[in-house]
Amino acid sequence: NAGVMQNPRHLVRRRGQEARLRCSPMKGHSHVYWYRQLPEEGLKFMVYLQKENIIDESGMPKERFSAEFPKEGPSILRIQQVVRGDSAAYFCASSPGVSSGSGVQFFGPGTRLTVL
Amino acid sequence: TQLLEQSPQFLSIQEGENLTVYCNSSSVFSSLQWYRQEPGEGPVLLVTVVTGGEVKKLKRLTFQFGDARKDSSLHITAAQPGDTGLYLCAGRPNTGNQFYFGTGTSLTVIP
Repeated sequence: NAGVMQNPRHLVRRRGQEARLRCSPMKGHSHVYWYRQLPEEGLKFMVYLQKENIIDESGMPKERFSAEFPKEGPSILRIQQVVRGDSAAYFCASSPGVSSGSGVQFFGPGTRLTVL
Repeated sequence: TQLLEQSPQFLSIQEGENLTVYCNSSSVFSSLQWYRQEPGEGPVLLVTVVTGGEVKKLKRLTFQFGDARKDSSLHITAAQPGDTGLYLCAGRPNTGNQFYFGTGTSLTVIP
């Protein structure tokens, strides 16, 4: 987990509000993955980004969810008009890139989103 | 569709016992990782295996990648309470960008 930062660690929103989750990758890493995890379950892939580029968003819900990884600053996962079903732990992982070795990922501590 | 199935889903054993966790798929992976996750934290990488038949040891943990690169196992010898956690396998197929995570094995080691 060392080096990947996520904030906030805990986020409470009411139905209909927006949630913004931030991820700063490890130094030197230009690839970011976002995952969602429900209690006692594995991680479900959402989106894979490089700087200024969405590479694979096949795991993202078509509506209300978006992600970006700008040239400067953290990657942001944005959930608009949150619903109770969005409550989950959201993890970001960074990687130097899938072309380097096995493309291993390092995870952040996660953001726990609770929708009231 | 769950690409990677882990078994058992839950495991509770006494300190000092041995155990094996399995990660199975019908798909071929270019690499496979094992992670351990504690409550409230992100997964921590334990090992990466890339070659069919590869065996890696990490102290009391032994990881094996199947010859066909479709499955893997994690064996823990003389389990300790500190081994308690959720063990996750994750595979990267030969094509595509995704890492697919297994369903997870929740291990509890009782002192």
